[in-house]
Amino acid sequence: AQSVTQPDIHITVSEGASLELRCNYSYGATPYLFWYVQSPGQGLQLLLKYFSGDTLVQGIKGFEAEFKRSQSSFNLRKPSVHWSDAAEYFCAVGATSYDKVIFGPGTSLSVIP
Amino acid sequence: NAGVTQTPKFQVLKTGQSMTLQCAQDMNHNSMYWYRQDPGMGLRLIYYSASEGTTDKGEVPNGYNVSRLNKREFSLRLESAAPSQTSVYFCASSEILGMNTEAFFGQGTRLTVV
Repeated sequence: AQSVTQPDIHITVSEGASLELRCNYSYGATPYLFWYVQSPGQGLQLLLKYFSGDTLVQGIKGFEAEFKRSQSSFNLRKPSVHWSDAAEYFCAVGATSYDKVIFGPGTSLSVIP
Repeated sequence: NAGVTQTPKFQVLKTGQSMTLQCAQDMNHNSMYWYRQDPGMGLRLIYYSASEGTTDKGEVPNGYNVSRLNKREFSLRLESAAPSQTSVYFCASSEILGMNTEAFFGQGTRLTVV
């Protein structure tokens, strides 16, 4: 069955520290991969996406993610976290069309000043 | 540039009441979607409209109906609200249904059914 897991429900990091959010998926083929961020009271905003090509993808707000086919993972990273990065982060996977996209359960990020 | 606009932002209903959630986009997108977001479950697709004049069921359509009123507007109706429909509802749109475009989300409607 197709699925997306985000093993960490909640993560707390200090401002300026590095960040890695994990995403693992189970899918029949190489999917399209996405990371979205949801700030408090806001809708989801696309951080980055992977369709094909270079497995290291750069996104907005200084985020990057690496697709590792052998591990079925698409982890999100940021070298130095800012207080404004506190939000909910969702990993999503899909193959052909948006009606087939599966969202992970989300990871809540808190940032300590 | 408003993007995707949802109304209302908050709503409390009594069990059995009906209501319609409104969604409008100003990006001339063909495809629109309704999701619900529940803690620990991510977003789940309720209904979608690939293009004006078409609607299809998503993963969790029971208890809901939709109308694609025109290219801009896509409404979600709860005919008889139940406590299990307490959730945050998001509308989204994309240029087409295919994955080579970006989906844009509204700010959400927080619905509580008591």
